Amino acid sequence: ETGVTQTPRHLVMGMTNKKSLKCEQHLGHNAMYWYKQSAKKPLELMFVYSLEERVENNSVPSRFSPECPNSSHLFLHLHTLQPEDSALYLCASSQDRFGTEAFFGQGTRLTVV
Amino acid sequence: AQSVAQPEDQVNVAEGNPLTVKCTYSVSGNPYLFWYVQYPNRGLQFLLKYITGDNLVKGSYGFEAEFNKSQTSFHLKKPSALVSDSALYFCAVRDEYRSGNTGKLIFGQGTTLQVKP
Repeated sequence: ETGVTQTPRHLVMGMTNKKSLKCEQHLGHNAMYWYKQSAKKPLELMFVYSLEERVENNSVPSRFSPECPNSSHLFLHLHTLQPEDSALYLCASSQDRFGTEAFFGQGTRLTVV
Repeated sequence: AQSVAQPEDQVNVAEGNPLTVKCTYSVSGNPYLFWYVQYPNRGLQFLLKYITGDNLVKGSYGFEAEFNKSQTSFHLKKPSALVSDSALYFCAVRDEYRSGNTGKLIFGQGTTLQVKP
């Protein structure tokens, strides 16, 4: 257990659906991240939040919408996704944005049909 | 922009033999370097990090890594491999703390380590 919890673990959604991924940490960390992990591709950084402020949007399509209501929670809202968006979505947190290691959740396996 | 390269998709080693998983990086300024391991259907687990200080860093499960600034490398090593070490290993780099940097953590493409009995 890393202290970072992601729900749901698995999600199947149609291209017209709207769903949300949830990430929760109670480690007292100030930075949170979303990564996408596809087969045969490295981990792709999507978003970085620091003290609830988005500090990095790595050219992510607008059909992915992050939300960080407080320092313990991070959401990724999904709408009108494409089949190529099917992947493992990983949430991570770290004490701060520089120098400290990130702790990862177990991920949400998303399948878009 | 910072980047990380892991030149080997897969490394095969016999149990009991030493292992090395290679990583090179490119970053402006001083790098913060990390190694993670991922087991099937799991998230990433932190192994070790280099921020400053001794070039040889020791981490979890008997792993260590050597920082080489002149070669911009941060290779992961273990003196004696176990079958249970078989997994996917990622090297990562983060910007140093300075104005304009966001501290994003960038990963290499990963190296599959296969340890055979």
